[in-house]
Amino acid sequence: SQTIHQWPATLVQPVGSPLSLECTVEGTSNPNLYWYRQAAGRGLQLLFYSVGIGQISSEVPQNLSASRPQDRQFILSSKKLLLSDSGFYLCAWREPGRGTDTQYFGPGTRLTVL
Amino acid sequence: QKEVEQNSGPLSVPEGAIASLNCTYSDRVSQSFFWYRQYSGKSPELIMSIYSNGDKEDGRFTAQLNKASQYVSLLIRDSQPSDSATYLCAVNALTGGGNKLTFGTGTQLKVEL
Repeated sequence: SQTIHQWPATLVQPVGSPLSLECTVEGTSNPNLYWYRQAAGRGLQLLFYSVGIGQISSEVPQNLSASRPQDRQFILSSKKLLLSDSGFYLCAWREPGRGTDTQYFGPGTRLTVL
Repeated sequence: QKEVEQNSGPLSVPEGAIASLNCTYSDRVSQSFFWYRQYSGKSPELIMSIYSNGDKEDGRFTAQLNKASQYVSLLIRDSQPSDSATYLCAVNALTGGGNKLTFGTGTQLKVEL
């Protein structure tokens, strides 16, 4: 069965510090991968998605970036965090070619920028 | 105009009652529709998907889809306190390419003893 991991689970960072969040998926090959952010009391905002190694699509211009160095690894980064980057960051995966758009979420990383 | 709209609630129902959650979407060519449940502080978990007009039942949950009215709903029968959560409606986004979902902001459900 497939499993998705995210770490760290929680993170408190000062404004202007760098960020690296990691997501890995087990039990599947060449998944579609997604990064979402959920700000307090708000909906899910799609940040990036990837259909393969090195292939990243950005949905929202901001100070975040994403990379996919391996088939089942997806990384979210920032060089300098802003207060507005606080939120719940969720990684999701989708099985390609199954005729379904179902996405499955990881446990998430709660980021607080102070 | 929001692409996927949900009433934010909270929707309060007594234990044992039927909870009815509604969602409307704007993209007429959307083909896939999903309901996720999100407990406070946790990540969303899939409850049901529906692709064809009509009803789809899974245990206490029934999803209803009406593509002509661009409307999808979730019924929860015999509501339990453990059903108290935020329910997110999601629709596949065909514009702009890619296999993406657009989420509503969610409806908070409270099941009261």
